Amino acid sequence: QQPVQSPQAVILREGEDAVINCSSSKALYSVHWYRQKHGEAPVFLMILLKGGEQKGHEKISASFNEKKQQSSLYLTASQLSYSGTYFCGTERGNAGNMLTFGGGTRLMVKP
Amino acid sequence: GAVVSQHPSWVICKSGTSVKIECRSLDFQATTMFWYRQFPKQSLMLMATSNEGSKATYEQGVEKDKFLINHASLTLSTLTVTSAHPEDSSFYICSAIMAGWDSPLHFGNGTRLTVT
Repeated sequence: QQPVQSPQAVILREGEDAVINCSSSKALYSVHWYRQKHGEAPVFLMILLKGGEQKGHEKISASFNEKKQQSSLYLTASQLSYSGTYFCGTERGNAGNMLTFGGGTRLMVKP
Repeated sequence: GAVVSQHPSWVICKSGTSVKIECRSLDFQATTMFWYRQFPKQSLMLMATSNEGSKATYEQGVEKDKFLINHASLTLSTLTVTSAHPEDSSFYICSAIMAGWDSPLHFGNGTRLTVT
């Protein structure tokens, strides 16, 4: 079952913050976050495994709620390089790394 | 590290012909590779899971006789689109994981297939 991402698109000014949400109707084993630029392959951002987990790298962080049905990606003080489409990928229980991706969130950062 | 190379980057072929796409893990051994298909402005849809030395596992609705997958070694998987038709035109992306669950997917750069 495909996770639901919101918003579908967002436009920011450089330096503004954004939150992208990824929701499932069932508890998830894990959540992956990727960013894809136009015409390129998706690039891995991070994986969250445990309910209540939060992690981040530089100004991009993510959380996985206690019930493991929702994850959020936080982009702080956005940079032009953050532009792209963000996908969450969810694992189907014990099916290893067979990810089902959300519909994507298109992020555009303007100067 | 963890580089996945996919070739060709783009291909244009005539309807009815077959096209082979290669996916190689350059600096690691990939026990599992995945093939995705992506239409413009849409999400990545998993087509099949490929394990070295065994038959690929196809997702529901994906024709195994049309999309032939071979995973002959721990560093190479191929996808052959047989008897291609214009509706097969799409962006095909492979990904690979190192051994162990919960590893991130490392994606190839994708292949843009256009069938005329």
